This record gives sequence, C-alpha cells and structure tokens, in this order.
Amino acid sequence: EAQVTQNPRYLITVTGKKLTVTCSQNMNHEYMSWYRQDPGLGLRQIYYSMNVEVTDKGDVPEGYKVSRKEKRNFPLILESPSPNQTSLYFCASSFWGPNEQFFGPGTRLTVL
Amino acid sequence: AQSVTQLDSQVPVFEEAPVELRCNYSSSVSVYLFWYVQYPNQGLQLLLKYLSGSTLVKGINGFEAEFNKSQTSFHLRKPSVHISDTAEYFCAVSEGGGSNYKLTFGKGTLLTVNP
Repeated sequence: EAQVTQNPRYLITVTGKKLTVTCSQNMNHEYMSWYRQDPGLGLRQIYYSMNVEVTDKGDVPEGYKVSRKEKRNFPLILESPSPNQTSLYFCASSFWGPNEQFFGPGTRLTVL
Repeated sequence: AQSVTQLDSQVPVFEEAPVELRCNYSSSVSVYLFWYVQYPNQGLQLLLKYLSGSTLVKGINGFEAEFNKSQTSFHLRKPSVHISDTAEYFCAVSEGGGSNYKLTFGKGTLLTVNP
C-alpha cells in the first residue's frame, strides 16, 4: 500500500531533550516536506527536500533540523525542544515539487 | 513573497445548499494553486489543483475552483453540499518556475454542513 508513515504518532517530552520524528514514504517520491499545524494558523512549512541531500527552509525552520540521506526517509530533528514547539506535525511527499502531496497521519508532540 | 488569505474562518451551511470558500493569494510570479481537505482527526487530502491551462478546475467529491489571475483568487465551490463535506479546507500556493518549491497554506476554513 502506497503510504507515508510517521513515528511516533504521539510524544510527550520535556524541554531540552533531543528528539527525532521519523518519516518514510514507499512511493519513490522526489519531494518531501514537514509541516506543523496549530489552531488558527493552518499548516506552516518547516523544511522541504527536493531530492537526496537537497533541503531548504520553509516558513518556520527555527529550532528544527532535517536530513535527506535516502530518498524514502526524511527525519525531523528537534535538538532542544521548547514548549512553543508543541504542535501537530505532518510529513508529506510528492513526485515533483509541490504537486499533489500525500500526507502522513501526523505526530502530536507535547513539550513540557 | 507568496502568501494566502482565506477570507472566512468558518462557513456554516445547510445540506444541499451551494457553498463557496474564498481564497486570495499574493505572489509576484506565476503560481500553482491547491485546495486540500482535512476531515476530523485525519491528514490532508488533495481536492484539486491548478498548475496551468484551463482556469476552471474540477476536483473530487463534486468540488470545483476557478483561477482568476486579475483578482488573484482561487475560490472553491460546490453546488450542493452533503453532511459528509463537513471538514476543514485549506488553500495553498506555490510560486512556479525556478527552484522555489516552498508551499504556503492559508489558515483554513471550517465548513460545517447542518441537516
């Protein structure tokens, strides 16, 4: 089944404790992206990747890191999480650029 | 820089009534435009997209949208809504050409269809 998977789905952590949210797609997509969704703010793009080893900042990259060492994986890294990073995070992928994106199920992160 | 404004945060309608969800964008270059739908507790799903060509775009579930370059709008319409259309709808824009594939979403419009 074609899909985008994210792990974990739910995470509660404390300020300053490094964490990684994994994202994987099995559709051989070139483009992958991370978003955060907050009430009243819609989705905001954090980082995107056009292909392996090619990443670029979205609208809200501060406090996040990404890497794209393999085509199928695009992990999101929070080196020192803070409470303002409490949010619902979505990973997405597409064949080309921002064409139809397929979204993962989301990761709900709470930073205490 | 690209931006998107969804003019209504909430739109309540009765079942079988027509609906229009408004979206305006700002960009200095050509654009790609999208509407996504998010059902409760789910991820987003593409409704329709405009990349080029005909300005009237038809999508899934009976939705359509019209790209109006002069008014920088991409409003979403459906002639007769169902209870199952209750969801949040997001308009998104990406500037075409070059290597910028940043995607900017609007803040969303919550469509509530009442019996």
